[in-house]
Amino acid sequence: DTGVSQDPRHKITKRGQNVTFRCDPISEHNRLYWYRQTLGQGPEFLTYFQNEAQLEKSRLLSDRFSAERPKGSFSTLEIQRTEQGDSAMYLCASSPQTGFATEAFFGQGTRLTVV
Amino acid sequence: AQRVTQPEKLLSVFKGAPVELKCNYSYSGSPELFWYVQYSRQRLQLLLRHISRESIKGFTADLNKGETSFHLKKPFAQEEDSAMYYCALTRGATNKLIFGTGTLLAVQP
Repeated sequence: DTGVSQDPRHKITKRGQNVTFRCDPISEHNRLYWYRQTLGQGPEFLTYFQNEAQLEKSRLLSDRFSAERPKGSFSTLEIQRTEQGDSAMYLCASSPQTGFATEAFFGQGTRLTVV
Repeated sequence: AQRVTQPEKLLSVFKGAPVELKCNYSYSGSPELFWYVQYSRQRLQLLLRHISRESIKGFTADLNKGETSFHLKKPFAQEEDSAMYYCALTRGATNKLIFGTGTLLAVQP
């Protein structure tokens, strides 16, 4: 499968623990996005990278959340001191640099459950 | 504020019936509109986008700027169309997507 891959697919953690998710985008894609999806809602934008630069962060991204994309390749999303409200599906997407309204290619997501 | 509204959480139709999934948006500029689809146990994927003026799997969507709508239509539903459908718009240089809450389309045999 040469699409966007995310790891792990599922994560159960205790409240207060730190978790880290990984996203490997399609190799030639410069743009990378993280979204969060809770039950009954559509995906909500969290943050955007163009190559290694994090250019936009949503207000949803509290100080406990941090994302990186070293060398403009894979990306990680870390949540510190997890709370039950962090339980959600975390989606990664990538798209090519050129053009407007380009297609976003999504990974299968990481489902986080905080107990 | 930019917003995408999908008023129906569930739309159930019989095979061969016409389908219309509603989408309304609020946006101060000229957004680009998309429909994304998620079939059971599959990842979210693009179905169609307004900028391409295309028809995919028999689905079409017309942008009505006066009514700020981008409804998705198909004249004859098939069972394999059963899926979750999300309307989305993109804004700004980042191409980030703003999604609606989704409509689950169930096509009965």
